[in-house]
Formats: sequence, structure tokens, C-alpha cells
Amino acid sequence: EIVLTQSPATLSLSPGERATLSCRASQSVNNYLAWYQQKPGQAPRLLIDDASNRATGIPARFSGSGSGTDFTLTISSLEPEDFAVYYCQQRSNWRTFGQGTKVEIK
Amino acid sequence: EVQVVESGGGLVQPGGSLRLSCAASGFTFTNYWMTWIRQAPGKGLEFLANINQDGSVKNYADSVKGRFTISRDNAKNSLYLQMNSLRAEDMAVYYCATDVRGGYFEYWGQGTLVTVSS
Repeated sequence: EIVLTQSPATLSLSPGERATLSCRASQSVNNYLAWYQQKPGQAPRLLIDDASNRATGIPARFSGSGSGTDFTLTISSLEPEDFAVYYCQQRSNWRTFGQGTKVEIK
Repeated sequence: EVQVVESGGGLVQPGGSLRLSCAASGFTFTNYWMTWIRQAPGKGLEFLANINQDGSVKNYADSVKGRFTISRDNAKNSLYLQMNSLRAEDMAVYYCATDVRGGYFEYWGQGTLVTVSS
């Protein structure tokens, strides 16, 4: 099973700041990686797939990069609605999720 | 408008059974693989099972293989999860989602809570 490790566990930032979230895979997943956003009491929402493709309707402030084992989700300037938990997920070998990074208001 | 609505969750005793349903609308259900994913309280996401468009291919996570069965009824635009031999660790919110582009989850329902307790 491919293990995805996300860091940091919690990111404390202010609105307008840049957020950089990391996801590391235990073995190469090529670029078969997605990012999801989940707010309390809601289902996850697909943000990015294939490492860098924004899903339909996702604002341009969200961007993804990386390949192989190291991936990054960047939120260029945090809006109030962006404070949430973010998960990475791979589809290279079965489907597994990272444990999540919580982006909280500082 | 795309809608995915799960139902059937509730309280069940350890060793009991439950059948979850997922009603889909607003998209061509027969074009999509479908998936069940769960989230234990305060925890992360776990992929459980998926099924192809005509129901001929089904895949399961080891944690539920032999206990859970995924199925679909394309005439009713519905997905199901039959859960048997339930354990305390199966307690979670269960989500239905479309499985797209080889394994990403695009449309999600709001989830249904399964509580396993005596």
C-alpha cells in the first residue's frame, strides 16, 4: 500500500498569506495525485487532479505541483473560506489518502 | 444540478448488518464508476470499494473484503453498500462519490452516519 504523509499537520496563517502544503508518497505515484478540501460537516471537494490540474470551478489561487513522490498544494493568498482541512490522494496503486493538513486562522 | 444523496445509516449492534443507498441525479449515472469512502469521527478518509459502469467489476479494500458488497441499479440511478458483520471500527460517515479519470472522486454526497454500538 502506498502511504501518503502530509505536512505540516496544522498550518496557522492569516488571510492574505500564502499557504504551502506538502504530500510525500512512500513510492512513486507518477503524477497520479489529487488534492481535496474539506470543511466541517461537509464532504470533501476535489481541487486538483493529476498533480496540477485544477478541477472545474476551482479558483486560480489554488495550484498543485510535483511528481514522483513529492507534491505541493499552494494557496497563493488565503481567503476566509479557505480555512479547512486538505487531503492528498493517490490513484497510482489502489487509492489511498494522506492524513490531512488543517489550515487554521492565526 | 448534480446531486448525490446517501441514506440508510443509523445505529446497529456489533455483528449486525446495514444497507446503504446512494441516489444520483444531474449526470449520466451509467457513464461513471462509483465509489464508497468512509471517514471515522475526527479521522481521515478511507476508500472502501468501487464498481464499474455496468456492475461487472468490483474492487474492495482489505478492511471490508468479504463483509461489504457494493452494487448498483442503473435503472434507478442508485448505488448500494451491503454491510455485514459490522464492527466498532466500521463506525464512520459513509460517502458515495463518482470515481473519475481512473481514480479521483469528483461528485460527493453529504454522507450518512453509521454507528456501531451495543
